[in-house]
Amino acid sequence: QQQVKQSPQSLIVQKGGISIINCAYENTAFDYFPWYQQFPGKGPALLIAIRPDVSEKKEGRFTISFNKSAKQFSLHIMDSQPGDSATYFCAASRGGGTSYGKLTFGQGTILTVHP
Amino acid sequence: EPEVTQTPSHQVTQMGQEVILRCVPISNHLYFYWYRQILGQKVEFLVSFYNNEISEKSEIFDDQFSVERPDGSNFTLKIRSTKLEDSAMYFCASSRTRTNTGELFFGEGSRLTVL
Repeated sequence: QQQVKQSPQSLIVQKGGISIINCAYENTAFDYFPWYQQFPGKGPALLIAIRPDVSEKKEGRFTISFNKSAKQFSLHIMDSQPGDSATYFCAASRGGGTSYGKLTFGQGTILTVHP
Repeated sequence: EPEVTQTPSHQVTQMGQEVILRCVPISNHLYFYWYRQILGQKVEFLVSFYNNEISEKSEIFDDQFSVERPDGSNFTLKIRSTKLEDSAMYFCASSRTRTNTGELFFGEGSRLTVL
């Protein structure tokens, strides 16, 4: 019930295209859904995050779409650039008690943007 | 820009040996975490730490693992008797507040190889 399932495992997109990564969760107690970006040899870095009280959040070229009833959320990268090539992780966490900062990560998606 | 620093970047050890991984969290942060990532797999929560005690730990964090904040700046993860399956990248993270924002700042990781 704690799982977060992410797809696809890998994604190849042409420069200027749209990259879409999907995640699904089971635990309805999750109330915070961040996306992390990880470059080789680096730690994950927070990219964008959403709470379930909104259906969409946009920051620059990055948009999270959230479907609470379906327990799914997705990351859209518009106008994808070669510099976006990285591994993307969705995650989820729930508030309350001692669970702050306890992120449950998806499996990760390796994004390659060809020039 | 403040960052979480980890040492060593890579450690090779023999099975059964003790290993200590060190982290210097961001200076005004109060909440500290260890995560690990086995090669090719997702990032997994190990433990959270606040006010000099463990807040929460996962089932991975068994009696072989311990954490400590020996002084005002360092945060360490000790593995008492390493096993082959402990080979992974270990990430330290910190956050400033106790809010459920998911905004954890990760270090670049310490790669542990157990032979």
